[in-house]
Order: sequence, then C-alpha cells, then structure tokens
Amino acid sequence: NAGVTQTPKFQVLKTGQSMTLQCAQDMNHEYMSWYRQDPGMGLRLIHYSVGAGITDQGEVPNGYNVSRSTTEDFPLRLLSAAPSQTSVYFCAAGFNQPQHFGDGTRLSIL
Amino acid sequence: TQLLEQSPQFLSIQEGENLTVYCNSSSVFSSLQWYRQEPGEGPVLLVTVVTGGEVKKLKRLTFQFGDARKDSSLHITAAQPGDTGLYLCAGAKAGNNRKLIWGLGTSLAVNP
Repeated sequence: NAGVTQTPKFQVLKTGQSMTLQCAQDMNHEYMSWYRQDPGMGLRLIHYSVGAGITDQGEVPNGYNVSRSTTEDFPLRLLSAAPSQTSVYFCAAGFNQPQHFGDGTRLSIL
Repeated sequence: TQLLEQSPQFLSIQEGENLTVYCNSSSVFSSLQWYRQEPGEGPVLLVTVVTGGEVKKLKRLTFQFGDARKDSSLHITAAQPGDTGLYLCAGAKAGNNRKLIWGLGTSLAVNP
C-alpha cells in the first residue's frame, strides 16, 4: 500500500545548488500538490496540478518549478536553493477523494 | 491573513479526559477536512464534512460542521496517549475546489 512516495527523505544543499524532489502516487488521482510546512506558518501550497500537462501556482511558488508529464509523477524543482527554502516538503495526491500525503522531504539549505 | 483559525494552539491533558478543538472562519466552505499529523510523518485524513450541521463519529472522535459551514469542531472522548499529535483542519472554499485553506493546527499531548 504505497500511496504517495517521496524521495529523498532528507537532503542538505548549499546555497545556489539545484535539486529535484520526487513524488510518485499509485492511486491514479488527477490532482496532486506540493506544500511546505514551517513552524508557525502551517502548510502552504507551492504548486498544484489537476492532471497530466496541467500545473498552476499556489500560495508560495517563487523559486520552485513543477511539471506533470504523467498521472503518477509530480516532481518539484528548486532552481537555485536559498536558506529561506529550508523546510519540510510534502507531496499530496487527491483533493476531496480523500487527499493522501507522503511522509515528507526534510530539506536544509546552508 | 489566516482564514482558518484553530484553537487552542496547544493542549496538554491527562489520559481519560475529554477535549474539544475548534476551527473557525468568517468564510463559507463547501467542505472541511480534519487531519492528524504525527512527528516525522505527513498529515493523515480523519474525516471530511460537507453538509452544514453534519456530525460524524470516528470511534471516540466526533466531528461537527457548523450550520453556516464557517466553522467546525473536533471532540475527543476519553483521550488516550495514542491521540497525541497535531490536528489540522483544511477547507475548500465554495467556488474554488482547487486550493485548500489550512489552519495552523492544535498540538495535543495526552499524558499517561
């Protein structure tokens, strides 16, 4: 029962480096989303997708890119990492169906 | 501006006690979800309520959606240490079913 799988679970980057956070789902949900969770700020939506080939911005999209070439995969790219992007990142699949979250990627930017 | 206000922010109780946490807004929601999140894990959906006045029960947890669909409550009866976690509410605003609005959560600790 995989559900939503995120990789890696932990990552440390240097300022200016780029990387891709992977997210895969096996539930055939059209809707997928990326959040970041920070103390005192709650969950904030970065980007979301309502189906393959369709993506849109959430509340805090700057510094992040996404693509959705298949229903299963929804990677999040950090273009040039900044210390302000240190956070825990969650990928989710589904919306009202219900919504399933991965276990998160803990990212530190030095 | 936080559109969903959760209270209390922190709650520490003894095993066996009852508690209620609240999720309030001035906006109307077409649906509202409650999640529990444990350290190091993603949020896990507990329930979705969609009808004003709706009451749903999940074992010792009772969820209520306000008549005007602007607020919700979660009541736990005879809390157990396994109930410890962060309780989050999230709502889908009427007319916008693509973005959830999240509260900041209630952090619950149930002590043995």
